Amino acid sequence: EAGVAQSPRYKIIEKRQSVAFWCNPISGHATLYWYQQILGQGPKLLIQFQNNGVVDDSQLPKDRFSAERLKGVDSTLKIQPAKLEDSAVYLCASSPWDRGVEQYFGPGTRLTVT
Amino acid sequence: QKEVEQDPGPLSVPEGAIVSLNCTYSNSAFQYFMWYRQYSRKGPELLMYTYSSGNKEDGRFTAQVDKSSKYISLFIRDSQPSDSATYLCAMSAISNQFYFGTGTSLTVIP
Repeated sequence: EAGVAQSPRYKIIEKRQSVAFWCNPISGHATLYWYQQILGQGPKLLIQFQNNGVVDDSQLPKDRFSAERLKGVDSTLKIQPAKLEDSAVYLCASSPWDRGVEQYFGPGTRLTVT
Repeated sequence: QKEVEQDPGPLSVPEGAIVSLNCTYSNSAFQYFMWYRQYSRKGPELLMYTYSSGNKEDGRFTAQVDKSSKYISLFIRDSQPSDSATYLCAMSAISNQFYFGTGTSLTVIP
């Protein structure tokens, strides 16, 4: 079974630029999550999708971050404009709809904002 | 007060030692308790999870939950150099929103 795929793996941008990350979850997983992991910290949930609907986006900075999950499969997370404090690893995870505790993570995208 | 507290270490042990990793929490609504392993520049990998209190064993790994003390532990027996990684605890209530600890960095010395 293929795991969660993410791209790009690394991205360096200047502040005030925009950036987008892509995630392809495990086949058949209805729930998809985006996390932000700052160096030395645990992952923090940004947004959770169930199929193509948003379940929880309470910690998403909506003035600069947006996410979508078209057709309930792939998802993109966008930051516009980026700030220095957005430098982090952005992790995508997925889980079966009825086993949310079994979250499987992708390798992440390491973002550096200069 | 943070929802989940975890000693960041670093923790260094000789090969074959028993490792004890711990987390404390403040939210009594947490019902699911997870342990993840994260190698450098990789995503977290689910090791095991428990529901409510009690113990769960999987090979060399044992997870313990003490809800009365709001304290969870992961024990690694016969530790191997390949166990060297950062170990993250995570917890959730029914909502499935995970609250992660900061992670404990473990090095097993051959």
